Amino acid sequence: GAVVSQHPSWVICKSGTSVKIECRSLDFQATTMFWYRQFPKQSLMLMATSNEGSKATYEQGVEKDKFLINHASLTLSTLTVTSAHPEDSSFYICSARDRDAYNEQFFGPGTRLTVL
Amino acid sequence: ILNVEQSPQSLHVQEGDSTNFTCSFPSSNFYALHWYRWETAKSPEALFVMTLNGDEKKKGRISATLNTKEGYSYLYIKGSQPEDSATYLCAFKDRRGSTLGRLYFGRGTQLTVWP
Repeated sequence: GAVVSQHPSWVICKSGTSVKIECRSLDFQATTMFWYRQFPKQSLMLMATSNEGSKATYEQGVEKDKFLINHASLTLSTLTVTSAHPEDSSFYICSARDRDAYNEQFFGPGTRLTVL
Repeated sequence: ILNVEQSPQSLHVQEGDSTNFTCSFPSSNFYALHWYRWETAKSPEALFVMTLNGDEKKKGRISATLNTKEGYSYLYIKGSQPEDSATYLCAFKDRRGSTLGRLYFGRGTQLTVWP
């Protein structure tokens, strides 16, 4: 149980295009989903927290107009990187918190984004 | 940004060796300490969630201890096997802020076990 999928696993796009990444909890209901980013040799850094049906809360320094987060259902959250630039190239990974297991977070496998 | 440090950054051991690594975190406003095992191209797998000072948890050959007063946790692997090769992440959770549940990660310890 507690499986989180993420799609796509990797994407290459041209500068200026937008990219959408999906995060799904497959066998549980996720009231909260978290989006992290990891640059090479760095730690996972939280970008934003989204609660189902409400606006996401962004961490300091993360542009909310650039990284659009939607959490429209208890099993799906999406992160859209708008007008991507090469500096947005990174590893993006989501996690989901089970409504019934508040203290645990379950992670997706991540998405490698490369912007040319 | 809270500082979570893991050491060593990488570790190479022979099959059968026992090993341990360290996670240090702020000792104030502690809520929980998470350990994850992360294999390449897979999802990080939760190993332990530790909440009480003095906690010791065990899962097969892997165990962990927690000292919240001094701000460190140790992860031990007894009799390492090649399948234990992975990056081991620790993450600290504090009580402050409106986003309860926010995890602060270390950079991880990359373990390679040679047959």
